[in-house]
Amino acid sequence: SAVISQKPSRDICQRGTSLTIQCQVDSQVTMMFWYRQQPGQSLTLIATANQGSEATYESGFVIDKFPISRPNLTFSTLTVSNMSPEDSSIYLCSPYRETDTQYFGPGTRLTVL
Amino acid sequence: QKEVEQNSGPLSVPEGAIASLNCTYSDRGSQSFFWYRQYSGKSPELIMFIYSNGDKEDGRFTAQLNKASQYVSLLIRDSQPSDSATYLCAVKGSSNTGKLIFGQGTTLQVKP
Repeated sequence: SAVISQKPSRDICQRGTSLTIQCQVDSQVTMMFWYRQQPGQSLTLIATANQGSEATYESGFVIDKFPISRPNLTFSTLTVSNMSPEDSSIYLCSPYRETDTQYFGPGTRLTVL
Repeated sequence: QKEVEQNSGPLSVPEGAIASLNCTYSDRGSQSFFWYRQYSGKSPELIMFIYSNGDKEDGRFTAQLNKASQYVSLLIRDSQPSDSATYLCAVKGSSNTGKLIFGQGTTLQVKP
């Protein structure tokens, strides 16, 4: 499995601010998935990030709120913009490779006050 | 109907018993099925995946898949208190996008 790191591991932010979460993988991957896990809930896919093209967002998620960058095949960022307490969640990246099963990064635990 | 359904539990079993976790899915064309274990405050950890009908065993874990019934289960033999966690069933659908759809998870409590 790939070695996946995320930064920051946790943060406490004020309402109305933005936070950028970084995900680094130790090998090249074609797609990067970003998931959200709200308190007491399961995982929900936010978007799929491909290199060189705009991310594909799932229903209920928009680019203005969750802009994503994918500058190369080992790195991606997810920004949570104009945060509200409802954005308090664990955010997880998950690299995808056709020949591999899917693993998750260690997660970023976000609390919005 | 939810795409992937699990009984949220909690499922409580005594130490040493068999824990049986169940999951149903709605997309008949789904190809791959995964079980993740998640400890509180931690990231999901992949413990089993299965593609073909039948059983797949790995140590104390056995995944069972029945595509005709759209049903996948996870058996944990000789349950240990360290198995106490939330178990997430995930399905990779027929769209071939690589996306996983998760059930709501089943909380397992193994009592010493």
